[in-house]
Amino acid sequence: QKEVEQNSGPLSVPEGAIASLNCTYSDQGSQSFFWYRQYSGKSPELIMFIYSNGDKEDGRFTAQLNKASQYVSLLIRDSQPSDSATYLCAVIGGFQKLVFGTGTRLLVSP
Amino acid sequence: KAGVTQTPRYLIKTRGQQVTLSCSPISGHRSVSWYQQTPGQGLQFLFEYFSETQRNKGNFPGRFSGRQFSNSRSEMNVSTLELGDSALYLCASSLDGQGNQPQHFGDGTRLSIL
Repeated sequence: QKEVEQNSGPLSVPEGAIASLNCTYSDQGSQSFFWYRQYSGKSPELIMFIYSNGDKEDGRFTAQLNKASQYVSLLIRDSQPSDSATYLCAVIGGFQKLVFGTGTRLLVSP
Repeated sequence: KAGVTQTPRYLIKTRGQQVTLSCSPISGHRSVSWYQQTPGQGLQFLFEYFSETQRNKGNFPGRFSGRQFSNSRSEMNVSTLELGDSALYLCASSLDGQGNQPQHFGDGTRLSIL
């Protein structure tokens, strides 16, 4: 089992809809969770991070943690075509190493 | 505040050669991590340096090595290049590499092996 798993997509949503991205992780002891956005040909850009003590909202983005089921989700409200990118979930695993999922490709159609 | 700077942006090498990539972290950041990104494997962790010491290492062969200088700048070296080393190499910095500190990425070095 991979340490961090994401559905590769693409996840297609119409403009203005809510996009819901999920990732599951295997290490029960993980405490820190990160979401990065990566446009084609660019490097990952940090958009949100949460710790095991709760969810977080930042503008149109909300990150939620379900510790019992070991998954993290990222909700993007009022999705825009400019949100079309690959979203990488990353989890701090053993020895403080950041482990990435392979990413979910999001397509927002006008 | 300047971001993470990686040089060069692009490199073309041939099999058997070696290459050195450079990374300057965000000012004040002391932890530097290196990643390899390929379409098939995603982001793979290479190693992490903190205070000039390698603190963590991924599952890559010994041909991949790195170091960190007293000003936190880091270099990564790949010797005896293979075709499979073609990838985007990303450097990320954080304050101290602890789990509660997010990592910020540079633009990467795209390495092509002919």
